Amino acid sequence: EPEVTQTPSHQVTQMGQEVILRCVPISNHLYFYWYRQILGQKVEFLVSFYNNEISEKSEIFDDQFSVERPDGSNFTLKIRSTKLEDSAMYFCASSRTSTNEKLFFGSGTQLSVL
Amino acid sequence: EDQVTQSPEALRLQEGESSSLNCSYTVSGLRGLFWYRQDPGKGPEFLFTLYSAGEEKEKERLKATLTKKESFLHITAPKPEDSATYLCAVQGNQGGKLIFGQGTELSVKP
Repeated sequence: EPEVTQTPSHQVTQMGQEVILRCVPISNHLYFYWYRQILGQKVEFLVSFYNNEISEKSEIFDDQFSVERPDGSNFTLKIRSTKLEDSAMYFCASSRTSTNEKLFFGSGTQLSVL
Repeated sequence: EDQVTQSPEALRLQEGESSSLNCSYTVSGLRGLFWYRQDPGKGPEFLFTLYSAGEEKEKERLKATLTKKESFLHITAPKPEDSATYLCAVQGNQGGKLIFGQGTELSVKP
């Protein structure tokens, strides 16, 4: 079965540094998402992306965050200046359509900001 | 505001002991209610989507049901490999995002 792949699986960074989290969605999917899960808390929506632009974003997704689809296969999440509270598991997901459609999640990138 | 609450937070069962997990939700225009399984250190794995009240879906030992206010995930004769966190999420008419509950951590002992 096709899957969403994320790299790296773990990322450790210093506060204030930039990080880029990478994802390869399923090839025939058109909608891409980032979610995050702080340890012990709910999975939270960050942003959705379709047709090379952001279609929806949460309050969490402020100016420090950006997303990009630099080529036909990768989907990235950039955090410009990391904060301690950005430490979380970040999940990439993709789907064929935007509604009524199951999301396929990757295994996540555990980001630790020191 | 769209909201999802799951109960119990944790559930310990003996192998073969059937039980149910609850997901209560409030959403403006339900497009779909989703159940996912999450193993430690992994991403959510899709189980079911339910679209309207009265709908039921089954997969092996799992059965999901839906009413206008809540969903149940029934586990019949569970096995240790069913141990995981089960997540409930809703999608409303405010877009494609999923709103997740906090999950129920299920532990099945042999």
